[in-house]
Amino acid sequence: LAKTTQPISMDSYEGQEVNITCSHNNIATNDYITWYQQFPSQGPRFIIQGYKTKVTNEVASLFIPADRKSSTLSLPRVSLSDTAVYYCLVGGSRDDKIIFGKGTRLHILP
Amino acid sequence: DGGITQSPKYLFRKEGQNVTLSCEQNLNHDAMYWYRQDPGQGLRLIYYSQIVNDFQKGDIAEGYSVSREKKESFPLTVTSAQKNPTAFYLCASSITQGEQETQYFGPGTRLLVL
Repeated sequence: LAKTTQPISMDSYEGQEVNITCSHNNIATNDYITWYQQFPSQGPRFIIQGYKTKVTNEVASLFIPADRKSSTLSLPRVSLSDTAVYYCLVGGSRDDKIIFGKGTRLHILP
Repeated sequence: DGGITQSPKYLFRKEGQNVTLSCEQNLNHDAMYWYRQDPGQGLRLIYYSQIVNDFQKGDIAEGYSVSREKKESFPLTVTSAQKNPTAFYLCASSITQGEQETQYFGPGTRLLVL
């Protein structure tokens, strides 16, 4: 199972772009990279998923370099409501279980 | 309106008592999961089920039991053998497209010991 490493916490200000980087040095060929967002006392919510290069949706962008040993979640123009814990997950293929680490606690300041 | 529901939102357990947490999904997903989350921590897998009438232990199954008699239901029982049950419990179901699985979570149940 591929292990991920991400910062424990980050602070940013409203209106800024926030980039959270996740390391996954032993990612397998079939593994995808998935990010979830969790607010206090709620279940995690799927944000974005990708395999390589760049993926963008209405919420975020995901940048994956060619070696796929890391990935960066980019949140454009954050607001106070983006304060949450963000989890980077690798794996989730048919023969693998999804593993949640401790995530990155993002705190947006006014 | 499709989704995953968990009930109750809050649950209180007395010493020596078994309690059951409900999880229902109408997403037609085959796989379902139970996680435990302690304050400031990530999610830890308790049990999971890939198909009806089949389930496997996760990383912290001791003191818990599950059943999967119907595709849409995956109840979790916290038994008296679980000595530290106070936590936030999350149920999820998943869909696999191609080689990739994506999980969708319920709102959670917070279990407190009296």
